[in-house]
Amino acid sequence: DQQVKQNSPSLSVQEGRISILNCDYTNSMFDYFLWYKKYPAEGPTFLISISSIKDKNEDGRFTVFLNKSAKHLSLHIVPSQPGDSAVYFCAAKGYGGSQGNLIFGKGTKLSVKP
Amino acid sequence: EPEVTQTPSHQVTQMGQEVILRCVPISNHLYFYWYRQILGQKVEFLVSFYNNEISEKSEIFDDQFSVERPDGSNFTLKIRSTKLEDSAMYFCASRASGGAPNYNEQFFGPGTRLTVL
Repeated sequence: DQQVKQNSPSLSVQEGRISILNCDYTNSMFDYFLWYKKYPAEGPTFLISISSIKDKNEDGRFTVFLNKSAKHLSLHIVPSQPGDSAVYFCAAKGYGGSQGNLIFGKGTKLSVKP
Repeated sequence: EPEVTQTPSHQVTQMGQEVILRCVPISNHLYFYWYRQILGQKVEFLVSFYNNEISEKSEIFDDQFSVERPDGSNFTLKIRSTKLEDSAMYFCASRASGGAPNYNEQFFGPGTRLTVL
């Protein structure tokens, strides 16, 4: 039961260009979404998040867009840098009742080529 | 910057043995979690802990698993009798209370790689 889906296992982008990572979800009760970045042999590092009441959140080079009607969110990185090369996980948090446990997608491996 | 720490970084054990994975969450956080990631698969929720008790657990978290906060700083995950399929990266995470501006954000430790032989 994949409640959070990242359908692209990998993405390759040229340095300086835009990276767009996509995520779809099925549960309309999710109220908060987060993006994590993960390097090999390290834990996930929080990157950016968005509440379900918003449609956009921006932090420097990173912007997350949420389309609730389509149950879709995306992470834009612009300009992309070689140091952005990592696995990016989309995660969702349920509303009320749960203590905030996150449901993760399978991740997208981003490679930014110099 | 405060961070979540975990020990050991790598644990090798024989099937049927007990293991204890240790975590030190961020000091002013009140919610604690364990997740695991089997090689090549996604990060999966195991258990959440708040106010000295389990608040939620997944179907993975069966009777072989237990968690404890033995003192004011440590948070442990015990696997009573390890199985081959318990081999995975285990991540501890913590988050602040509802009054904090970033209370929805969970901060993860570097993980413990558990290898069951």
